Amino acid sequence: DTAVSQTPKYLVTQMGNDKSIKCEQNLGHDTMYWYKQDSKKFLKIMFSYNNKELIINETVPNRFSPKSPDKAHLNLHINSLELGDSAVYFCASQQGQGSGYTFGSGTRLTVV
Amino acid sequence: SQQGEEDPQALSIQEGENATMNCSYKTSINNLQWYRQNSGRGLVHLILIRSNEREKHSGRLRVTLDTSKKSSSLLITASRAADTASYFCATVLTGANNLFFGTGTRLTVIP
Repeated sequence: DTAVSQTPKYLVTQMGNDKSIKCEQNLGHDTMYWYKQDSKKFLKIMFSYNNKELIINETVPNRFSPKSPDKAHLNLHINSLELGDSAVYFCASQQGQGSGYTFGSGTRLTVV
Repeated sequence: SQQGEEDPQALSIQEGENATMNCSYKTSINNLQWYRQNSGRGLVHLILIRSNEREKHSGRLRVTLDTSKKSSSLLITASRAADTASYFCATVLTGANNLFFGTGTRLTVIP
């Protein structure tokens, strides 16, 4: 009965590869987010989707593309992976403005 | 740019003591939230305080907000070893919806 689930939990891949991280929420929330946490534990927003519409796209390289097949899913696809992409990526969902976020357990991406 | 900064960066206390963490931010906010992150895990929402509120309680947690000083504090009373984690403040700016996170405080509670 996990509220926000991400797969895989760990991902090790070589530079130049393309990979995807999946996220699903069963809370019926309207908005979903992707955050990146770097080695210094700093969290930075990457994308958010509200009812399948991209409403925030911070200064993220266009190698990163969010894909939302429906309201319950927000996947993250990354092309041409670079060493600097190594980080922990968190998916989150939110019921509505003014409420807290529910986070997934994270995907640790290591690019070698 | 980073919205919030927390102080101290690390805090070590004995079990049973109180822990206080502070957060400062830069611009006008709609609300401020505190999250806990255990090592290797996701973030857990603890408490949300709106810009027109000054204090909120939840169990052993007490959060204050001073919008004139652009600061907030999180107090954990009667700490337990299980409270060992990183604590982050996060702000929702006025007119926006996404969260901007602070730098985090690493709390260690010694049994």
